[in-house]
Amino acid sequence: AQSVTQLGSHVSVSEGALVLLRCNYSSSVPPYLFWYVQYPNQGLQLLLKYTTGATLVKGINGFEAEFKKSETSFHLTKPSAHMSDAAEYFCAVSGARGANSKLTFGKGITLSVRP
Amino acid sequence: ETGVTQTPRHLVMGMTNKKSLKCEQHLGHNAMYWYKQSAKKPLELMFVYNFKEQTENNSVPSRFSPECPNSSHLFLHLHTLQPEDSALYLCASSQGAASIEQYFGPGTRLTVT
Repeated sequence: AQSVTQLGSHVSVSEGALVLLRCNYSSSVPPYLFWYVQYPNQGLQLLLKYTTGATLVKGINGFEAEFKKSETSFHLTKPSAHMSDAAEYFCAVSGARGANSKLTFGKGITLSVRP
Repeated sequence: ETGVTQTPRHLVMGMTNKKSLKCEQHLGHNAMYWYKQSAKKPLELMFVYNFKEQTENNSVPSRFSPECPNSSHLFLHLHTLQPEDSALYLCASSQGAASIEQYFGPGTRLTVT
């Protein structure tokens, strides 16, 4: 079984500031981890994913995330926030391909960016 | 059209109405999914179809009835819904049901009055 915890529902940062969105997971098998972004009135778009190999993964729009097995975390960061980053962000976990490949999502975090 | 499309984008229906949501994927994928997204709750997987066969029904009430006539099209037939069924319904597709990467449509915003 898998689960995802995204603490808090809203993060607000100033334009140009560091973005840090936290995600912790639990999984009974080696996890595959994902961050999705949802802009208003749109579906979910994959930002980045970790499957195997390098634990620091880079995604689109300057975002990156680091898989830390010892902390069961997969936090999303971006060095400098842009107004266009305002959206809802979802962390998700799945097992390896096959029976455990179902995606389990967190509740999501709304990111606001102040001018 | 590219990617995953959904129609209608918005739907208001009464509790006694019958309506259908449509999803179409233009990615050549073989698996399709229905999710329910309610405010401040995790996305809930409703149904999974792989090569037109339903492989998962996540304890969804029978007032929701999916149909997958082919690998490119997925429908969700709605009948005698409740106000708590109001939500954003998202369709997704992937190369196969075992694939880890899903592509999402823009969703249908459903309001049940």
